[in-house]
Amino acid sequence: DTGVSQDPRHKITKRGQNVTFRCDPISEHNRLYWYRQTLGQGPEFLTYFQNEAQLEKSRLLSDRFSAERPKGSFSTLEIQRTEQGDSAMYLCASSLGVAGAYEQYFGPGTRLTVT
Amino acid sequence: DQQVKQNSPSLSVQEGRISILNCDYTNSMFDYFLWYKKYPAEGPTFLISISSIKDKNEDGRFTVFLNKSAKHLSLHIVPSQPGDSAVYFCAASLWGMRFGAGTRLTVKP
Repeated sequence: DTGVSQDPRHKITKRGQNVTFRCDPISEHNRLYWYRQTLGQGPEFLTYFQNEAQLEKSRLLSDRFSAERPKGSFSTLEIQRTEQGDSAMYLCASSLGVAGAYEQYFGPGTRLTVT
Repeated sequence: DQQVKQNSPSLSVQEGRISILNCDYTNSMFDYFLWYKKYPAEGPTFLISISSIKDKNEDGRFTVFLNKSAKHLSLHIVPSQPGDSAVYFCAASLWGMRFGAGTRLTVKP
């Protein structure tokens, strides 16, 4: 078990470009979460998946953001027409998704810088 | 909407003494609370948790206390060690978790 992995670790892009991040959860975990963290703040919930179904989306997830988990394993988060305000650390987490298993295990994050 | 608040951005304690980190929440629907520890350039690491039906959970040097009537929880670290220096996040479970802004703990040798 190698834990949650995220790729890339860093991304620098120009305003208006599209970016896509990937998350590979712990293999037996069926829940996957995306968070965004800005400087001096805790992670903010964006969305989560139970297997391949996207069950909840935060109002922080504007129309320019889309997340997928097509086969219930890895997930991608795409940001279209990036803005400078999108600069943040994007964290992925996974959990077992069974009763009583609330702990989420986080990846190292993807740091996005929009210039 | 800040449903989980950590009002102390930083805390400094001497090695061997007790560290107490505090957290307040507003949503009575939260049913599970967790503490995460974060080092620079890493994702948050799960530390300890407590169900809303309990008022205390202990794991080695770490104890979490929950006061539901006050909507308050705290993390006690005894004795504190320099390796405990990190940012600590309080989180509350409601589908996706809601996190506080974090408290930076510094344990001085």
